[in-house]
Amino acid sequence: SQQGEEDPQALSIQEGENATMNCSYKTSINNLQWYRQNSGRGLVHLILIRSNEREKHSGRLRVTLDTSKKSSSLLITASRAADTASYFCATVSNDMRFGAGTRLTVKP
Amino acid sequence: NAGVTQTPKFRVLKTGQSMTLLCAQDMNHEYMYWYRQDPGMGLRLIHYSVGEGTTAKGEVPDGYNVSRLKKQNFLLGLESAAPSQTSVYFCASSYAGSNQPQHFGDGTRLSIL
Repeated sequence: SQQGEEDPQALSIQEGENATMNCSYKTSINNLQWYRQNSGRGLVHLILIRSNEREKHSGRLRVTLDTSKKSSSLLITASRAADTASYFCATVSNDMRFGAGTRLTVKP
Repeated sequence: NAGVTQTPKFRVLKTGQSMTLLCAQDMNHEYMYWYRQDPGMGLRLIHYSVGEGTTAKGEVPDGYNVSRLKKQNFLLGLESAAPSQTSVYFCASSYAGSNQPQHFGDGTRLSIL
């Protein structure tokens, strides 16, 4: 069964806008990871945030983690058409569980 | 540096046939994983290995077998394919366990008729 659940399931924005995706989970975790999947390709790791961290940045990506609310968010700033992909959160406790993903479309 | 390579990329089988999916990694990773991805379900772990000669069951292991005879290779076998096994199969590897990022191959698209 899935641990993380992403919201929204699909998101469509214009190039240059920011995109925010959320992930909620139910049990305590060691860390939470975000992955991107382009159509027809494998998943690519974006960011890992540990349970004792609240925020991490990588380029145009910003991830926050609120363990009290059991939720995380991924923010992509100044989006580009190349950011069009599905984004998955994966929660890690005894094992790694993936959510069903958010499908992001960035229109040029 | 190829990373994680999966063979084949596509395959169509008839119900009851058997086949083996091959995963090879060149990053000297200890851990390797097999997942299946179905629409609306995310990825689900089938089997994994924490090192050469070891295998363990994941979330959905029924109908599959695996072997890790060499550190760089992880094989997934379907002994008697069923239509419910139609899916996209992904192999991944990591340096250590779940506290490390996983590196994925590009998948094998398998259809069982």
